[in-house]
Amino acid sequence: AQSVTQPDIHITVSEGASLELRCNYSYGATPYLFWYVQSPGQGLQLLLKYFSGDTLVQGIKGFEAEFKRSQSSFNLRKPSVHWSDAAEYFCAVGAGGSSNTGKLIFGQGTTLQVKP
Amino acid sequence: KAGVTQTPRYLIKTRGQQVTLSCSPISGHRSVSWYQQTPGQGLQFLFEYFSETQRNKGNFPGRFSGRQFSNSRSEMNVSTLELGDSALYLCASSSFGDSYNEQFFGPGTRLTVL
Repeated sequence: AQSVTQPDIHITVSEGASLELRCNYSYGATPYLFWYVQSPGQGLQLLLKYFSGDTLVQGIKGFEAEFKRSQSSFNLRKPSVHWSDAAEYFCAVGAGGSSNTGKLIFGQGTTLQVKP
Repeated sequence: KAGVTQTPRYLIKTRGQQVTLSCSPISGHRSVSWYQQTPGQGLQFLFEYFSETQRNKGNFPGRFSGRQFSNSRSEMNVSTLELGDSALYLCASSSFGDSYNEQFFGPGTRLTVL
């Protein structure tokens, strides 16, 4: 069965420092991968997505992610974190197959705290 | 283009009652998915509707149901509410609901069951 693991529940970084959030997935075929961000009390906003092709994908707000098939990973990165990046981040995989329409499988999320 | 809207934003109910939540997708999107978000279980898929038909269903009891109208608006209903149903309910719309279609989420409905 497909699954997504985000090993880090909580991460704290200083403003201006670089950031990497880890995501590992379990999926038999080529996965459709997504990163979402959720601010307190809000819905989820799509940061970026990977379907195929170039393994380094650029997203909004200066985020990027790299797909590594050999490591089953899709880590999210940002070179310099801003205080407004403090939020919860979710990695997700499209469940795939005609019987799994409309279903995303989410990791447990990583809460990012930014120190001034 | 207007985003996904959900009403109401907040609800307080008591055990045993029923509740109906509404979701209006992005114009032109035909697939609507519903998710339950709780601190303990995270984000869990409830069901997906496309062209007024439920195409996919998650592992939730029959108390959770939904429907979709011809204009793609969707409702979900929870009957005989339990304390454990307290959660943020999110709906998401996509063009066709395929795995490669990104989903756009609404702000959610916060349901509290007392």
